[in-house]
Amino acid sequence: NAGVTQTPKFQVLKTGQSMTLQCAQDMNHNSMYWYRQDPGMGLRLIYYSASEGTTDKGEVPNGYNVSRLNKREFSLRLESAAPSQTSVYFCASSEDLWADGNQPQHFGDGTRLSIL
Amino acid sequence: AQSVTQLDSHVSVSEGTPVLLRCNYSSSYSPSLFWYVQHPNKGLQLLLKYTSAATLVKGINGFEAEFKKSETSFHLTKPSAHMSDAAEYFCVVSSSGGYNKLIFGAGTRLAVHP
Repeated sequence: NAGVTQTPKFQVLKTGQSMTLQCAQDMNHNSMYWYRQDPGMGLRLIYYSASEGTTDKGEVPNGYNVSRLNKREFSLRLESAAPSQTSVYFCASSEDLWADGNQPQHFGDGTRLSIL
Repeated sequence: AQSVTQLDSHVSVSEGTPVLLRCNYSSSYSPSLFWYVQHPNKGLQLLLKYTSAATLVKGINGFEAEFKKSETSFHLTKPSAHMSDAAEYFCVVSSSGGYNKLIFGAGTRLAVHP
């Protein structure tokens, strides 16, 4: 049972390069999320998708774009990478966005991204 | 607005001794609260959740947490630590208005010594 799968697991980029992080879930969830994790700051929401065909900004969207390709897949794109975007990126999914806040989110194992 | 404060960035215990990881929250509404665990190079795994039912919540791997509204706390405990419990733990509150947006604490790194 794969759950949430992220690719790649590691990546090193040079400043100014572009990259797309891939995420797929096999739990038939409606909602998907992208977070970044930085030391001492917990996880911060970059973008989310309530359902197929919709995306919205989270807490730290600048420098990123997303695509909800279908119900299973939600990608995160860095158009022009900057050193400040060095982080660990997590994708997550849940059954629904509007669910009285009691549905847990299921996380992938993360993508460790370094930008030189 | 909701917020979460984890009171200890690092906790160190000996194997077989109790674990206490402290969390205070701020919320204008009755919150949903979660504890997640992250093992090295892994994603986050749900330990337990509170959703306004019983105030003492039991989770996986022997962990439990007690919701105390008067103290705005949701501390995580385990009677006896195991080496495999060494990980980072996140206290999380769900935003208000029936909207499943999670707000994370900064995390507590738990070390377990033989």
